Amino acid sequence: DTGVSQNPRHKITKRGQNVTFRCDPISEHNRLYWYRQTLGQGPEFLTYFQNEAQLEKSRLLSDRFSAERPKGSFSTLEIQRTEQGDSAMYLCASSLTGVTEAFFGQGTRLTVV
Amino acid sequence: AQTVTQSQPEMSVQEAETVTLSCTYDTSESNYYLFWYKQPPSRQMILVIRQEAYKQQNATENRFSVNFQKAAKSFSLKISDSQLGDTAMYFCAFMRVTGANSKLTFGKGITLSVRP
Repeated sequence: DTGVSQNPRHKITKRGQNVTFRCDPISEHNRLYWYRQTLGQGPEFLTYFQNEAQLEKSRLLSDRFSAERPKGSFSTLEIQRTEQGDSAMYLCASSLTGVTEAFFGQGTRLTVV
Repeated sequence: AQTVTQSQPEMSVQEAETVTLSCTYDTSESNYYLFWYKQPPSRQMILVIRQEAYKQQNATENRFSVNFQKAAKSFSLKISDSQLGDTAMYFCAFMRVTGANSKLTFGKGITLSVRP
C-alpha cells in the first residue's frame, strides 16, 4: 500500500457539468476526510466518514456536493452543476481511530471554465 | 469554534541557517493537538511534528522543534540547519481531542523558500 490515492489528479470541466472524484485511503484506515484548498489558503474541512457512515458535513458542503463511502473503503465526492467558485484542490485524508496522524493524498485539482 | 492564524505569508532562509515559523490559535478547549504539516510543490501534505496540549515539553523531531506556549496560544516551528528540500508550504493545524471527528483546522500557511 503506497498511501492515499486520488483520481483524477486534474479535472477541467465546463460550468454546469457534474464531476466525480475518487479517493482510495490506506487500506486499514477507518476514517476518511475530504478537504478543499483554494489558492493561498489552508485546507478547509468538508466531510468525514467513519467506515461507511458519513458523520459530519461542513456548512461549506452545499446541496450540490455529495460524498459516499460504500463498504467503508474508497470514497467518491460528486459536485453537481459545477460553478466557477468550485475551482480548487480537493484533498482526501485517512487515519485510524486513536491515531492522530492523518495521511493525505496528492489531491484533485478542479478547474471550472 | 477553533481558529488558526499564520500571519506571515512567506519567508526565505539561507541553506544551513535556522528559521522560525509562527502560528497562533484560539480555542476554548483545554486539551487538543497541534500540528505542523508540510506541503511540498508536489502537493502531498505530510506531517512534520505534533504536540499534545497537555504535555509541557516541546516536541522535537530531528531538525524540527516547536515552541509551544499554551497560555499565549502560540505554536511556532523552528527548522534548524535548513535544507533545500525544506522548501514548501507549511501549515499549522489544530485538532480537538474530544468527539469522534478528528478533523483538522488549518491556518492559511506560509511559503518557505530555502536559498542555496
